[in-house]
Amino acid sequence: KAGVTQTPRYLIKTRGQQVTLSCSPISGHRSVSWYQQTPGQGLQFLFEYFSETQRNKGNFPGRFSGRQFSNSRSEMNVSTLELGDSALYLCASSWSGSIDEQYFGPGTRLTVT
Amino acid sequence: KQEVTQIPAALSVPEGENLVLNCSFTDSAIYNLQWFRQDPGKGLTSLLLIQSSQREQTSGRLNASLDKSSGRSTLYIAASQPGDSATYLCAVPAGGTSYGKLTFGQGTILTVHP
Repeated sequence: KAGVTQTPRYLIKTRGQQVTLSCSPISGHRSVSWYQQTPGQGLQFLFEYFSETQRNKGNFPGRFSGRQFSNSRSEMNVSTLELGDSALYLCASSWSGSIDEQYFGPGTRLTVT
Repeated sequence: KQEVTQIPAALSVPEGENLVLNCSFTDSAIYNLQWFRQDPGKGLTSLLLIQSSQREQTSGRLNASLDKSSGRSTLYIAASQPGDSATYLCAVPAGGTSYGKLTFGQGTILTVHP
């Protein structure tokens, strides 16, 4: 079965702009989590959605937001981009988002100039 | 607060060696532990998931063990190959109502040279 897909794979944006990233989970999975990965901070949890509801949120400013649609696809949005937002953004899907195996997508590489 | 540590941070070995990667966690009340592989600039590939009730899990040349009481897991790679070169990460669910959140170690960068 198809894995987790993320679009776009690469993005270059300018400071102050906003960006939307998309994640399509494995068919049947209802939980989608988002992570930011940087060389200095490693993998940091952004938020998790299940059945269109945000159940968990990491310690990121309000400029980072997300949503989930009825087909479980998820988007995350970053407004007023800063240079420090340059990172690899990864999403992961699982059946319940609780104690089951998580599967990651290939990531979206965001560069802010 | 769960903390995960991986040792060593980097490892360079000749092809054919058997090797062990270590992962330790501070809160032993975990449901499972997952090992991932990450190639440079790519996403994470799930290698093995060990449930809290299991002691070992095997997939091909990989074997992962879990000792909850001591807060440790090891990933054993047999007969290493250059294609095994990657960063290896271990992760545990954050627990409680912290849905979808995995707590990761900083990873072990493995280089297998021919």
